[in-house]
Amino acid sequence: DAKTTQPPSMDCAEGRAANLPCNHSTISGNEYVYWYRQIHSQGPQYIIHGLKNNETNEMASLIITEDRKSSTLILPHATLRDTAVYYCIVRAQTFSGSARQLTFGSGTQLTVLP
Amino acid sequence: NAGVTQTPKFQVLKTGQSMTLQCAQDMNHNSMYWYRQDPGMGLRLIYYSASEGTTDKGEVPNGYNVSRLNKREFSLRLESAAPSQTSVYFCASARVENSPLHFGNGTRLTVT
Repeated sequence: DAKTTQPPSMDCAEGRAANLPCNHSTISGNEYVYWYRQIHSQGPQYIIHGLKNNETNEMASLIITEDRKSSTLILPHATLRDTAVYYCIVRAQTFSGSARQLTFGSGTQLTVLP
Repeated sequence: NAGVTQTPKFQVLKTGQSMTLQCAQDMNHNSMYWYRQDPGMGLRLIYYSASEGTTDKGEVPNGYNVSRLNKREFSLRLESAAPSQTSVYFCASARVENSPLHFGNGTRLTVT
């Protein structure tokens, strides 16, 4: 699985959009970008994933650059409950040995400020 | 619908003691996983089970064993606990092996 790079921390004002970047310059053609978040003392929670097109669900939007070397997770109207560590991961959808070695990095600590 | 349930939530062991961490999911998922999380290191995969009847090692399997008891349950056993195994342990499941993961709320283990 490709390595990802995220800023260690970010702040966002409540009600504003939170834009969390992720670099994955070594991503392969069959690797998807996944986002999870972990609220303090809880298990990680799946947010969204995509291959090359932008994706949106009830929680967030995912914007992937045309060259797929970076992506941005957008929380459109951040609330205090969105304060969490956000993890960006790339992994292949097809069955392979490397797909099993799914490891989360250190992520981005997002703090939503009142 | 409880999702992924882990027991116990907290545990303190002495070095050399054994214990089993339990995990059950009610989503009819095929794949199940055990991770450990240590400060500053993200989550690391210990063992996984792609489907009922199969288990495989992850990134950090030493000192652990697992059992996929049935489709719902996947247990993690520490035969002789060591202080280095002090960590938060998360169980996760997925519909199939490469689907999004659903996590439990963890077991906080301290080995003294």
